[in-house]
Amino acid sequence: AQSVAQPEDQVNVAEGNPLTVKCTYSVSGNPYLFWYVQYPNRGLQFLLKYITGDNLVKGSYGFEAEFNKSQTSFHLKKPSALVSDSALYFCAVRDNGAGSYQLTFGKGTKLSVIP
Amino acid sequence: KAGVTQTPRYLIKTRGQQVTLSCSPISGHRSVSWYQQTPGQGLQFLFEYFSETQRNKGNFPGRFSGRQFSNSRSEMNVSTLELGDSALYLCASRLGAGGVDEQFFGPGTRLTVL
Repeated sequence: AQSVAQPEDQVNVAEGNPLTVKCTYSVSGNPYLFWYVQYPNRGLQFLLKYITGDNLVKGSYGFEAEFNKSQTSFHLKKPSALVSDSALYFCAVRDNGAGSYQLTFGKGTKLSVIP
Repeated sequence: KAGVTQTPRYLIKTRGQQVTLSCSPISGHRSVSWYQQTPGQGLQFLFEYFSETQRNKGNFPGRFSGRQFSNSRSEMNVSTLELGDSALYLCASRLGAGGVDEQFFGPGTRLTVL
């Protein structure tokens, strides 16, 4: 079985400061990892993914994430937060040994960027 | 290229009724998945369709069903609605059979069961 944990329900950060949204995962095989963002009354927008290779993944809107196999983590980061980054962020995992494509999502972390 | 579209965007039903939600994937995408999003349970996988075949199903009762047409459009049906079925239902599409491509989500259908 695969699972994702986002330990923080909410993260507050001042505009211009670096931000981190945490994610840890559990899969039986090797993971495919994804970050999505959801704005109010909208669907999820894809930010970035880790499949294999370089542990630092760069994505949309200046976001990046670092894959750490030993800590089973995939934290989302951005060097300088914008007020427009305020949204709900979801981490998701898929076991690449699984026979079907089924993403398991974390509960989400609400990011608030304070002006 | 147009994104994933879902209709209707909002729906109000009463207990015991049934409902059908529609999803049109991005052109060329052959896989469609459905998710239920609630404040308490978060995002939960319902099922995935590829080339008109259901490939995987989440842990939902048989009242939840779906299908996919030859043009990759998909519908989801919920029969005998319960209050707990009130949720945002999200459809997501991706290119196809491979396992590394990301899903693209529609705006969702907000279902309210009274």
